[in-house]
Amino acid sequence: EIVMTQSPATLSVSPGERATLSCRASQSVSSNLAWFQQKPGQAPRLLIYGASTRATGIPARFSGSGSGTEFTLTISSLQSEDFATYYCQQYHHWPKTFGQGTKVEIK
Amino acid sequence: QVQLVQSGAAVKKPGASVKVSCKVSGYPLIELSIHWVRQAPGKGLEWMGGFDPENSETIYAQRFRGRVTMSEDTTTDTAYMELRSLRSADTAVYYCAAVREGYLQLDYWGQGTLVTVSS
Repeated sequence: EIVMTQSPATLSVSPGERATLSCRASQSVSSNLAWFQQKPGQAPRLLIYGASTRATGIPARFSGSGSGTEFTLTISSLQSEDFATYYCQQYHHWPKTFGQGTKVEIK
Repeated sequence: QVQLVQSGAAVKKPGASVKVSCKVSGYPLIELSIHWVRQAPGKGLEWMGGFDPENSETIYAQRFRGRVTMSEDTTTDTAYMELRSLRSADTAVYYCAAVREGYLQLDYWGQGTLVTVSS
C-alpha cells in the first residue's frame, strides 16, 4: 500500500498570503494525484487532478505541481473561503490512499 | 450534472450491519465507477473500496475485506455499501464518490451518511 504523507499538519496563514502544502508518496504515483478541499460538515471537493489540472470551476489561485513522489498545492492569495482542510489522494495504485490532511487556518 | 444523494443517518448496535445507499442522477450509473470513503469524527479520509472498470471487479481496502460489500442496482441507478459486524470504531460519516468513465479521479461526492455504532 502506498503511504501518502502531508506536511505540515496545520498551516497558519494570513488572508492574502500564499500557502504551500506538500504531499509525499512512499513510491512513485506518476501524475495520478488529486487534491481535495473539505470544510467542516461538508463533503470533500475536487480541486486538482492529474497533479496539476484544475477541476471545473476551481479558481486560478489554486495550482498543483509535482510528479513521482513529491507534490505541492499552492494557493496564491488566500481568501476567507479557502480556510479548510486539504487532502491529497493517489489513484495510481490500488488501494487509492489519502494523505492525513493539512488544515489551513487563519493566522 | 452528476448528483449523488445518500440515505439518511443510521444508529446501529455493535455486531449489527448497516447498508448505505447512493442514488445517482444526471449520469448513467453504468458509466461511473463508485467508490466509498469514510471519515471518523475529527479524523481524515479513509478509502474503503471502489469499482475497477479495467478488471470489472470491486477492490476493497485490506482492513475491510470480509466485512464489507459494495454493490449496484443499475435499474435504479443506486449504489450500496454494506458493512457488517459493526463496532464503535466504525462510527463515521460514509461518503460515496464517483469516477466518470475514461477518468481516474473522484469527481463527484455524495453528501455523506453518518453511521453511529453504540450500545
